Amino acid sequence: AQSVTQLDSQVPVFEEAPVELRCNYSSSVSVYLFWYVQYPNQGLQLLLKYLSGSTLVKGINGFEAEFNKSQTSFHLRKPSVHISDTAEYFCAVISTGANNLFFGTGTRLTVIP
Amino acid sequence: EAQVTQNPRYLITVTGKKLTVTCSQNMNHEYMSWYRQDPGLGLRQIYYSMNVEVTDKGDVPEGYKVSRKEKRNFPLILESPSPNQTSLYFCASRRGVTEAFFGQGTRLTVV
Repeated sequence: AQSVTQLDSQVPVFEEAPVELRCNYSSSVSVYLFWYVQYPNQGLQLLLKYLSGSTLVKGINGFEAEFNKSQTSFHLRKPSVHISDTAEYFCAVISTGANNLFFGTGTRLTVIP
Repeated sequence: EAQVTQNPRYLITVTGKKLTVTCSQNMNHEYMSWYRQDPGLGLRQIYYSMNVEVTDKGDVPEGYKVSRKEKRNFPLILESPSPNQTSLYFCASRRGVTEAFFGQGTRLTVV
């Protein structure tokens, strides 16, 4: 069985400060990993994904994430946040051979002016 | 433009009155799914479909039905809605393990 844990339900951070949103997963097989962002009153859109290859993945809006197989983590980082980054962020996983995109419970990022 | 279209965006209904939320995608994706989003619980999958006439239960299927008669459409049916089905619903489509595209959401209130 697969699962995704986002330990921080809310993360407040000052504008231009760095941020890290944590994601840990569990799966008995290899995985594909994703981060999605949800702006207020909107659907979800893809920030970045890890399918294979380089463990450091760069996405849109200056975000990046690093896949760490030994720690089963896929933390999302940005070196300097903007007000416009205020949103809810979801980590998601698909296990190889499975079909379901399984989501974590989300982290609400609030950027403080 | 590639998109997933859900209708309606907002719906208020009464307990027991059957309703359908429509979902349509224009990307010829094989895989479609329905999620519900509740505070503190993230997105939980209700049903998914791997292709026409192939559907299966997700994590929270009770009280819901789906059908996949055409590749582009995947309606969500609530035969007898109850207040615990008040939620924000999302339809999504994708090809294989590539990016999933989401609709704008349907906010359902059952009173």
